[in-house]
Amino acid sequence: EIVMTQSPATLSVSPGERATLSCRASQSVSSNLAWYQQKPGQAPRLLIYGASTRATGIPARFSGSGSGTEFTLTISSLQSEDFAVYYCQQYNNWPPSLTFGGGTKVEIK
Amino acid sequence: QVQLVESGGGVVQPGGSLRLSCAASGFTFSSYGMHWVRQAPGKGLEWVAFIRYDGSNKYYADSVKGRFTISRDNSKNTLYLQMNSLRAEDTAVYYCAKERSSGWLGRGYFDYWGQGTLVTVSS
Repeated sequence: EIVMTQSPATLSVSPGERATLSCRASQSVSSNLAWYQQKPGQAPRLLIYGASTRATGIPARFSGSGSGTEFTLTISSLQSEDFAVYYCQQYNNWPPSLTFGGGTKVEIK
Repeated sequence: QVQLVESGGGVVQPGGSLRLSCAASGFTFSSYGMHWVRQAPGKGLEWVAFIRYDGSNKYYADSVKGRFTISRDNSKNTLYLQMNSLRAEDTAVYYCAKERSSGWLGRGYFDYWGQGTLVTVSS
């Protein structure tokens, strides 16, 4: 099973600043990586797929990069609505395997 | 707009059974594979099961294989998860999620999620 590791676990950022979240895979997943945002009490929302393609309706301040085992989600200028938990997910071994990272919580500094 | 509404959660004793449902609308349900994903309280996300658009292929996480069964009724636009031999570690919010890509087995990621239904396994 491919293990996804996200860092840091918690990121404290001031509104308007840049946030950089990391996701590492235990083996190459090519560009088969998605990012999701989850706010308290809500379902996750797809942000990025194919490592760098924004999903429909996602603002341009969200960008994804990387391939192989190292990936980054960047939020260029944090808005109040961006404070949430972010998960990466690999789908390189689909089917039958899909795995998520443990999440990064972005909190207000 | 796409809507996914889960139901059927509740409190069940260890070893018991429960059936979850997910009512879908706003898209051609019979054209998309569907998943169940769960989230234990205060924890991360765990993929549980997938069913192909026509019900002919099903995949399960090792943690639920042999105990859970995914199914669908395309005439009712509804997805199901039959959960048997429930354990305390199955306690979670269960989300149904739509495959982003139509056809065959999809790509393995999710573009719409329901709000979830809580399953609590406790004596």
